[in-house]
Amino acid sequence: AQTVTQSQPEMSVQEAETVTLSCTYDTSENNYYLFWYKQPPSRQMILVIRQEAYKQQNATENRFSVNFQKAAKSFSLKISDSQLGDTAMYFCASPTGNQFYFGTGTSLTVIP
Amino acid sequence: EADIYQTPRYLVIGTGKKITLECSQTMGHDKMYWYQQDPGMELHLIHYSYGVNSTEKGDLSSESTVSRIRTEHFPLTLESARPSHTSQYLCASWPGHQGSPLHFGNGTRLTVT
Repeated sequence: AQTVTQSQPEMSVQEAETVTLSCTYDTSENNYYLFWYKQPPSRQMILVIRQEAYKQQNATENRFSVNFQKAAKSFSLKISDSQLGDTAMYFCASPTGNQFYFGTGTSLTVIP
Repeated sequence: EADIYQTPRYLVIGTGKKITLECSQTMGHDKMYWYQQDPGMELHLIHYSYGVNSTEKGDLSSESTVSRIRTEHFPLTLESARPSHTSQYLCASWPGHQGSPLHFGNGTRLTVT
């Protein structure tokens, strides 16, 4: 079965600094995708970034990038130049079959 | 941009009332899901559907029921609301391609008094 683990329930970062959120997963799939979602206080789930396991290059979307370590089954999210609007819950997720599997989330607070 | 809508956005009702949370998507996705989430907490899958007339219960036991009569519509019903049903309910849809993300609605925040 697919499992996704986020071991950091809460994190904080100073505005303009860099923070890394951790995620590990377990899968028996050969090719798969990994996603990071952001859920701000408004509670809307927003896609942040996705990574295909077959691609060696780490995905990047503006200030958001991933550190994908396939052998270690690790999928970390790095947020550079943190902004107050980055304050949110962050969920790591991966689909297998017809289901999405989510981590338990990391609550990130950006401190002014 | 994904088009998936949930209504109402907020709902406060008394114990014992019957309620239906609406969820509609215009993307033609076969797969739809309902998640229950307490504030700042993890997502729990309570119902899912792989197409018309297909509904299944999720990992978290729920007293709610769902129906899927049309592809675009996946309503969730509570026959008799209780304070323990107070939570955020998120609806999502997915085209089924592994590289596609799950598309979420804005959620319904339900409070049962």
